[in-house]
Amino acid sequence: GQQLNQSPQSMFIQEGEDVSMNCTSSSIFNTWLWYKQDPGEGPVLLIALYKAGELTSNGRLTAQFGITRKDSFLNISASIPSDVGIYFCAGTNSGGSNYKLTFGKGTLLTVNP
Amino acid sequence: SQTIHQWPATLVQPVGSPLSLECTVEGTSNPNLYWYRQAAGRGLQLLFYSVGIGQISSEVPQNLSASRPQDRQFILSSKKLLLSDSGFYLCAWMHAGGADTQYFGPGTRLTVL
Repeated sequence: GQQLNQSPQSMFIQEGEDVSMNCTSSSIFNTWLWYKQDPGEGPVLLIALYKAGELTSNGRLTAQFGITRKDSFLNISASIPSDVGIYFCAGTNSGGSNYKLTFGKGTLLTVNP
Repeated sequence: SQTIHQWPATLVQPVGSPLSLECTVEGTSNPNLYWYRQAAGRGLQLLFYSVGIGQISSEVPQNLSASRPQDRQFILSSKKLLLSDSGFYLCAWMHAGGADTQYFGPGTRLTVL
């Protein structure tokens, strides 16, 4: 089945630094999603990407859908303490009878004030 | 707007006791519904999903079961809990028709002693 490799597994950074994380897949997706999970809560959707090459921003967050459709990255600029949490990528081939997302194992981000 | 609820928020149960976790969605009709388990604050493991009332697909063989007695209600059950059932249980919904984005509930923290 499809697998997602998400890296890095964890990051420890200083407040104000930029962050970059990525996901690679063994097969193609037509949709990439990025979620953030705060401690003790459910994941929240940050950015959705639907087209190869697409670059989308949401405030200090920027995500890109790789041209090969097998990868995606998420950048966070000028990190702040509330950026702490687990970031998940997810891929899917939407439509038809596919109802599931394939998730990466997450990147745990720690921001030191 | 759509909202998703889970209860209880936390639960401590002895080994061998039964389990019932409930998830309800408001503001949408005929959603796809999902149960995930997250161990040790990391990866998301899909347990069950449902595309309609009474329709349940199981992803992982285990001593848990799921039911969907109403359109927007999804229940996770067990007759006898094991220590290994401890974890953070997340319910999610998706628009019907194989659309892409899943939206997560706040989760239930289950501790089996």
